[in-house]
Amino acid sequence: DTAVSQTPKYLVTQMGNDKSIKCEQNLGHDTMYWYKQDSKKFLKIMFSYNNKELIINETVPNRFSPKSPDKAHLNLHINSLELGDSAVYFCASSPFRDYRTDTQYFGPGTRLTVL
Amino acid sequence: QKEVEQNSGPLSVPEGAIASLNCTYSDRVSQSFFWYRQYSGKSPELIMSIYSNGDKEDGRFTAQLNKASQYVSLLIRDSQPSDSATYLCAVNRGSNFGNEKLTFGTGTRLTIIP
Repeated sequence: DTAVSQTPKYLVTQMGNDKSIKCEQNLGHDTMYWYKQDSKKFLKIMFSYNNKELIINETVPNRFSPKSPDKAHLNLHINSLELGDSAVYFCASSPFRDYRTDTQYFGPGTRLTVL
Repeated sequence: QKEVEQNSGPLSVPEGAIASLNCTYSDRVSQSFFWYRQYSGKSPELIMSIYSNGDKEDGRFTAQLNKASQYVSLLIRDSQPSDSATYLCAVNRGSNFGNEKLTFGTGTRLTIIP
């Protein structure tokens, strides 16, 4: 029944490693997002995809590469992890009908810790 | 100047009182505004959205928008301990498409005191 799901929930890794986070939504939404929430709880958009096409890339380092195999899935691959990448990463989805009222539904988050 | 500004708090309100949360934004072309609630360790969830000047009420929650002053607020009436959370204001500039780019404020931490 989970609307937006992410795996894994926790990720602890060493600097320099490569890791991936997966996201799936079963709401039939056209748009999916990746957000980063830092230790001060600031939530910032990283990427947005609409029907598998990238529509927003918020000056994220190219070590971060999103991939959308279909409109229900959006994965995030991170190369050469750095200490500053430690954060909670949220996936979200929304319909693409009306910017005034479209609700973004967030996944449970993935807490990434880089040692 | 930050795009979306909120007082970080913490804001402490007695149970049963009205909690007032404020948000200002810098981009005059912003067209729609959202309040999200985030409990500690959880994901944000939408409380209310508003895009027309004035008040919008939903149960104990009222959102107020004043585009001339670039100000949006959230009032919570009859505050309950379960309202204790961080409240995030989000602004969408609007486009011909959807809500593809929300800009969030840093959030206000609200504590309801029993």
